[in-house]
Amino acid sequence: DADVTQTPRNRITKTGKRIMLECSQTKGHDRMYWYRQDPGLGLRLIYYSFDVKDINKGEISDGYSVSRQAQAKFSLSLESAIPNQTALYFCATSDSIRIKNTGELFFGEGSRLTVL
Amino acid sequence: KQEVTQIPAALSVPEGENLVLNCSFTDSAIYNLQWFRQDPGKGLTSLLLIQSSQREQTSGRLNASLDKSSGRSTLYIAASQPGDSATYLCAVRHQAGTALIFGKGTTLSVSS
Repeated sequence: DADVTQTPRNRITKTGKRIMLECSQTKGHDRMYWYRQDPGLGLRLIYYSFDVKDINKGEISDGYSVSRQAQAKFSLSLESAIPNQTALYFCATSDSIRIKNTGELFFGEGSRLTVL
Repeated sequence: KQEVTQIPAALSVPEGENLVLNCSFTDSAIYNLQWFRQDPGKGLTSLLLIQSSQREQTSGRLNASLDKSSGRSTLYIAASQPGDSATYLCAVRHQAGTALIFGKGTTLSVSS
């Protein structure tokens, strides 16, 4: 089983629908992240969380919200999906640098979202 | 604001060639730098991580170097193989409490 699991892997939806992408990890990491990837734009950070009570906006958080339900679970929601949110979404985890680990990032396989 | 640039955007080489991928960043005060590989439609796989105090890291045929003062890192791939064909991304962490900032990647194609 993958250390970082994303569901669903593929989703097609219509404009205005609410969508939730879920991420769970078995690596025991404190830190979790959501990125989106678009052709020509690379990976951009949406939200990140350094522990269950900590949520931070990334560079492109507008139109998205997140929930850190537990140390191992971090979900991304699109309250009212629009076509320019069509992208490949990645969840990632890292350990806590505070305890002298490297903060090396580990990624899930991605969730491809298409908004019609 | 930290910006990460990877040049070239695409590279094609014959099998067996040694090659270098480049990554530059605008703010040299980084905490660490990480190189990833991404196969089409797949997630990112971590290849090498270099701490700011290190000059290089090696894993098999891969060697990554870091020159903080010039804001550059290189990924050296020895004796390239068709299986090395993928997109390679570098990412920098500015401080311990921040997230990684990614370059747009170099897409490598190795022909047999």
